[in-house]
Amino acid sequence: SAVISQKPSRDICQRGTSLTIQCQVDSQVTMMFWYRQQPGQSLTLIATANQGSEATYESGFVIDKFPISRPNLTFSTLTVSNMSPEDSSIYLCSVAVTGQETQYFGPGTRLLVL
Amino acid sequence: GNSVTQMEGPVTLSEEAFLTINCTYTATGYPSLFWYVQYPGEGLQLLLKATKADDKGSNKGFEATYRKETTSFHLEKGSVQVSDSAVYFCALSERGAQKLVFGQGTRLTINP
Repeated sequence: SAVISQKPSRDICQRGTSLTIQCQVDSQVTMMFWYRQQPGQSLTLIATANQGSEATYESGFVIDKFPISRPNLTFSTLTVSNMSPEDSSIYLCSVAVTGQETQYFGPGTRLLVL
Repeated sequence: GNSVTQMEGPVTLSEEAFLTINCTYTATGYPSLFWYVQYPGEGLQLLLKATKADDKGSNKGFEATYRKETTSFHLEKGSVQVSDSAVYFCALSERGAQKLVFGQGTRLTINP
């Protein structure tokens, strides 16, 4: 398995501002992903964070709104830009470990936009 | 495209009751199947998984069998505890651990 940490764990932000969420894993992993979980809903994949290149975004998510970086094999950031109350969600980072058919999730970042 | 459908919640049971949470899927190819659990205020934890037909995943008294003929992966536990209260997500992935697709989640509450 992998130990994943996220910062911040929660935040309250004003509309129009941006927040950057960090994800750190304790071992080198092949794949890193960012998910959104809106209140009372299931998880939706935002994008796959690619090391050294642009992230791969799912339908309905764009780079201008959710820029992602992955400078190395153990770290990634997700920025939620120009926030509105509809962005209030839990944002989760996950990783896929080399040779395992499993994704492991971080504890999540709880974001409230006022 | 791929999709996962879970039984609607919330589900409320008494301690020591038998639990079944239904999960069916639609997928091209041969997906891997997972159950994740989310305890209150926490992230997702992998509960169990199965990677091919007829495999049975098990953990902490929970079991689920990969049924290709019925495209199902129902979660069962013989005797639930209060500590099992959580939200349970069924999920699938194709091509290994890429791009998980989740069901809508089932909230389980166990009363003492």
